[in-house]
Parts: sequence; C-alpha cells; structure tokens
Amino acid sequence: AQTVTQSQPEMSVQEAETVTLSCTYDTSENNYYLFWYKQPPSRQMILVIRQEAYKQQNATENRFSVNFQKAAKSFSLKISDSQLGDTAMYFCAFSARLANSKLTFGKGITLSVRP
Amino acid sequence: EAGVVQSPRYKIIEKKQPVAFWCNPISGHNTLYWYRQNLGQGPELLIRYENEEAVDDSQLPKDRFSAERLKGVDSTLKIQPAELGDSAVYLCASSKGGGGIKYEQYFGPGTRLTVT
Repeated sequence: AQTVTQSQPEMSVQEAETVTLSCTYDTSENNYYLFWYKQPPSRQMILVIRQEAYKQQNATENRFSVNFQKAAKSFSLKISDSQLGDTAMYFCAFSARLANSKLTFGKGITLSVRP
Repeated sequence: EAGVVQSPRYKIIEKKQPVAFWCNPISGHNTLYWYRQNLGQGPELLIRYENEEAVDDSQLPKDRFSAERLKGVDSTLKIQPAELGDSAVYLCASSKGGGGIKYEQYFGPGTRLTVT
C-alpha cells in the first residue's frame, strides 16, 4: 500500500516571496505519478503540477516547480513570486502507473499568503 | 467547457435520515469518481465508474452507501441511513477515461454534508 505524508499542517509566506511545501511518500512501485493539487476556499480542487517518476527532469509550470528526489521518496513543491490567489490547501498525491490504480492523497497543508 | 457540477452544495440532515448527492461530469468524460474528504484530511476514493460500470468500489461502505451511474453520464451517491461520522465533503471528479491515472481528474466543488 502507498502512503503520502505531509508533515507541515500550515505555512505562511509574504506576497512575492518563495515558499516550499514538503511531501514524502512510500511505495514499492517503480513506475508512478506524483501530483500537487490546490484546493482554494471555494473547494474546487485543481491540478497544479504532475511528475512522472521515470522522468529525471523536475516538472515546472510557470511559478510552480517541484524537487523530485526518487531515492529519498521526496516530492516538494516550490511556489515562486507568491500571490494572494495562491492561498489554499495543497495536497500531495500519488498514483501507481497501473491500469486500475487510484490517487492516494496526503493530509494537505494550508498555505496563507500575506499581503 | 462546463466543469463538473455537483448538487446540492450544502446539506444538513439528522442522523438516520437518507441523503443523496448528484454529480454531472464533464461532457465526454467516461470515468467518474466519488471521494469523501473528512475535515483536515485529503480525499479518499469511494467508488470509480468506467461508463456505467463500477470498477472499484472497495472503499464504499456498502451497508449504507450506494451509487449509480445510469446511462454512463451523471451519477448519484446515496447514504441511508446517515450517521454522525458521515459528516464530510463529498467530491465528484471525472476524467477522459482509461484506468489508472493516465488522464487528469477534474473535480467538482463538492457537497458539504453535516449530520446532526
């Protein structure tokens, strides 16, 4: 069974600064996907960024980038130039690259961006 | 393109009462998911449909929960009777299809259920 751990319940960052959200996971699978999802106070969850485990290059989406350390089973999200609209809960999630695999989410972290 | 639609957005019921949630996925999405999100937790999958077929319902408490997806489009999740521990946000998601996680899942806004 897979587990996803987000040990920081809350973080706060000043607008325009950079913040890093941590995530670790445990799996015996070799092929898998990792995700960061954002859930704003309105509750519609959206995909922020996705990493395929077989790709060594870290994924980047505009101001969002990840630091994927496969050997350490670590998958952190860096948000650059933080904006007020980044205030939300962020969930790290895992899925094995199998036909019937499902998303396993961490507990999430509440990020507050201060003006 | 319209997103995943869920109704109602909020529901308050007394324990032992029945309740139903409705979800309309994005047009053309064959795969539909129901998740439960307890306060302070990440979502947990309850059931996944591929078209009309429930292909993964291993986490669905079948003694009180039921779901259907007639005609492979919209879906209903029902709880009967509701218990205090069922208070949570129920999220619906859809994707283009295929098993596993090949396609991105799009989430609806959820239904917040409070059981008193």
